[in-house]
Amino acid sequence: GAVVSQHPSRVICKSGTSVKIECRSLDFQATTMFWYRQFPKQSLMLMATSNEGSKATYEQGVEKDKFLINHASLTLSTLTVASAHPEDSSFYICSARDYRGPGNTIYFGEGSWLTVV
Amino acid sequence: KQEVTQIPAALSVPEGENLVLNCSFTDSAIYNLQWFRQDPGKGLTSLLLIQSSQREQTSGRLNASLDKSSGRSTLYIAASQPGDSATYLCAVPVQGAQKLVFGQGTRLTINP
Repeated sequence: GAVVSQHPSRVICKSGTSVKIECRSLDFQATTMFWYRQFPKQSLMLMATSNEGSKATYEQGVEKDKFLINHASLTLSTLTVASAHPEDSSFYICSARDYRGPGNTIYFGEGSWLTVV
Repeated sequence: KQEVTQIPAALSVPEGENLVLNCSFTDSAIYNLQWFRQDPGKGLTSLLLIQSSQREQTSGRLNASLDKSSGRSTLYIAASQPGDSATYLCAVPVQGAQKLVFGQGTRLTINP
């Protein structure tokens, strides 16, 4: 079963409104989670690293005031797309690393489709 | 700066064939390499993770190899099935960080 869960899987919002996407690690604690964005038929682009209890680290070119990240607990990170516009429509995926196993495997959520109309 | 490249971008083969997907990376100083599968409109599923000290990893019909010195990894799929159709991505962590750098993926189609 999934060890990293995202919600919602699909969301449609009106232009100018804000939308929140949740990422949860289900059976392990994740001090760090990662948010990616994926355009159709393209690979994943890392947006930011979410750090529990501190500010997120954003990749170059990603607007931190538009993509607000909060990592309030060891199992939950949220991405809020503020004042969304149609160009923000995309597939957003989160991930978290599980340090319990020998391989420190990274697990990804199921992704969230955002459509801004 | 680490760059990851996957070849081919797309591959279509008949069911039952064995096939190889390729992944190359520019900086050989990697901690590990991970192969993922992504179905259309879905998240990523981890298939295999190879540590830098390992040469290969196997899981069922999948075998991944790693040659750090040449900056290459291959994913071998034996006796392919239509259910194997998906996009396959390889990724390596950026040195000293947990961030992953992904290849562009290989879109695989297995024809019944």
